[in-house]
Amino acid sequence: DVKVTQSSRYLVKRTGEKVFLECVQDMDHENMFWYRQDPGLGLRLIYFSYDVKMKEKGDIPEGYSVSREKKERFSLILESASTNQTSMYLCASSSPGHPLRETQYFGPGTRLLVL
Amino acid sequence: AQTVTQSQPEMSVQEAETVTLSCTYDTSESDYYLFWYKQPPSRQMILVIRQEAYKQQNATENRFSVNFQKAAKSFSLKISDSQLGDAAMYFCASLPWGQNFVFGPGTRLSVLP
Repeated sequence: DVKVTQSSRYLVKRTGEKVFLECVQDMDHENMFWYRQDPGLGLRLIYFSYDVKMKEKGDIPEGYSVSREKKERFSLILESASTNQTSMYLCASSSPGHPLRETQYFGPGTRLLVL
Repeated sequence: AQTVTQSQPEMSVQEAETVTLSCTYDTSESDYYLFWYKQPPSRQMILVIRQEAYKQQNATENRFSVNFQKAAKSFSLKISDSQLGDAAMYFCASLPWGQNFVFGPGTRLSVLP
């Protein structure tokens, strides 16, 4: 079974703080994704990566950056947290070599509150 | 822009009954995949069922089946013999070839004992 883990389930930060959200997958997946989930909006793609040290902007990258130094780890960084970044953050991974390629496997999510 | 619409923010069903969740999508691509994901309360989002657009036969996974109407761009999920564990947020998603996932806003399903 694919396992995607996220460093924290709940996080409370203050406006202006630098925030790191980490995601690790154990199935050697090439592709990793960061989404934010908000009520009534579903999931929106922030950034994704198809390979180590590679990153691509998603639909809502403003205010975020990412880092992928190792294949299994994909970090989301909020350079200066703002209250409108209060949300649930979901990490996902997938692999073109997987029998169910294109299917994304999700982590448990990090619920971030910015005060 | 690609969009996925789920017109039912909330639905409820009696245990052991059948419920259908609606989803429509808009894509200009001829090749794409469609998915239903389930997110139980405080738990991980998991894949329920997926459908390749080139396949005419509707996908089925145990009590879960879809009604895929390609011309109408409709992809509804039917849950038969509903169980308490089916209570969750359900997301419909499309994946046009060579592009990223597009998720709908979700439908919260309650199962009544």
